[in-house]
Amino acid sequence: GAGVSQSPSNKVTEKGKDVELRCDPISGHTALYWYRQSLGQGLEFLIYFQGNSAPDKSGLPSDRFSAERTGGSVSTLTIQRTQQEDSAVYLCASSLEIHGNQPQHFGDGTRLSIL
Amino acid sequence: QQQVKQSPQSLIVQKGGISIINCAYENTAFDYFPWYQQFPGKGPALLIAIRPDVSEKKEGRFTISFNKSAKQFSLHIMDSQPGDSATYFCAASKGNYGQNFVFGPGTRLSVLP
Repeated sequence: GAGVSQSPSNKVTEKGKDVELRCDPISGHTALYWYRQSLGQGLEFLIYFQGNSAPDKSGLPSDRFSAERTGGSVSTLTIQRTQQEDSAVYLCASSLEIHGNQPQHFGDGTRLSIL
Repeated sequence: QQQVKQSPQSLIVQKGGISIINCAYENTAFDYFPWYQQFPGKGPALLIAIRPDVSEKKEGRFTISFNKSAKQFSLHIMDSQPGDSATYFCAASKGNYGQNFVFGPGTRLSVLP
């Protein structure tokens, strides 16, 4: 499809395991964002990319969280040594460019459950 | 100063009624104010957006009212329908994204048939 695609849609894992979440942005969108949404809560900004670079990593909640983007397209959010408080929906969004207040287009998220 | 406040937290409206959700911000540098609609199990979707050089923008049954001096903006849903039942997020940003794109905490709207 033409929208932002995230995989997997659901992920259940045991505490202490590492997880990788994938985001395929809309083709041609240079800006990509990761958010975390806890149950019934708002959106918590994690990190954004302009092309392959991430100028702002201050939203990542701990050093267990990391993200990369390759080829200016697909991005992966990795959570190491997962904890129960990491359980949430992780949303990815993309926009045409970082400047000019372009609207963000969201994927449907990955629902992460840590047992 | 980066915070966007949103109220009410939840809202119940009868079919055909008017739904009103309010947001307030502090950072006068914000220059783009979008509203997002989110259905359960889906990501937020852009509904309507406004820039501070206009006081109102209307798209179908959805209207944004913007009060620059009060640093407030609101979403009005006219003739509310059960299909409008969703969570609505206001947001604000200034030029560059990243931490400068701030979302409100959301309003859960239920429209009764």
